[in-house]
Amino acid sequence: EDQVTQSPEALRLQEGESSSLNCSYTVSGLRGLFWYRQDPGKGPEFLFTLYSAGEEKEKERLKATLTKKESFLHITAPKPEDSATYLCAVGDSGAGSYQLTFGKGTKLSVIP
Amino acid sequence: NAGVTQTPKFQVLKTGQSMTLQCAQDMNHNSMYWYRQDPGMGLRLIYYSASEGTTDKGEVPNGYNVSRLNKREFSLRLESAAPSQTSVYFCASSSPGTDTQYFGPGTRLTVL
Repeated sequence: EDQVTQSPEALRLQEGESSSLNCSYTVSGLRGLFWYRQDPGKGPEFLFTLYSAGEEKEKERLKATLTKKESFLHITAPKPEDSATYLCAVGDSGAGSYQLTFGKGTKLSVIP
Repeated sequence: NAGVTQTPKFQVLKTGQSMTLQCAQDMNHNSMYWYRQDPGMGLRLIYYSASEGTTDKGEVPNGYNVSRLNKREFSLRLESAAPSQTSVYFCASSSPGTDTQYFGPGTRLTVL
C-alpha cells in the first residue's frame, strides 16, 4: 500500500526565515511526486512534479528536491503570502496509473 | 480559460436526501476525478474516469455514484446522504501523458 507522510504538520516562520518541508513516501514504483499549495477554502493549486531522484525544480521562493525515499520543499526568505497548506502526492506505477496518494499536508504560517 | 469548475459551492442536505455535484473542465483533458477532503485526512479518491465512457472506483466509493456525461463533464451523485458524507468535495482533471491533476474550487457539503 502506498504511503505518504508529511512533516511537520504545522510550521510557523518569521518572514525571511528559510526552512524545509518534508514528504516521505513508499511506493512500488514512482511515476511522479507532486507538490500542491492549498489556500483556505480553495482547491489545491499545482506547484511541481518530480520524476526521478536528484531532480530539482524551482519557482520563486520555492525549490522542490527528490530522493528515492523523500522529497523536500525548501522555502527561501518566505513572505506572509506564502502562508498556506502544502500537499505532497505520489503516483505509483504499480497501482492504477490514474491514482495519486496524498499526504495530510503541512500548514505553513509566515509571520510578518 | 476557466479550468475546472464545480457547482454548487455550498450545500446543506438532510439525511436521506439526494443530490448531484457537477464538474466541468475546459482543458480538453481525458481523465477526471472526484475526491473528498476531511479534517486530519489527506485527499481521498472516490471515483475516477480515465476517459469518456469509463469510470472506476477509488479508495472510498461507497455511497456514491458517478456519470461521465461527455469529455468535459463528470458528476458525482449521493443517492441517500448520510452525516458521514459531510465533507469538502473536489473535482480534478488531467491530460494524457501526465499524471498532473488540476483541481476545481470545491463543494462544501453538510449533511444534517
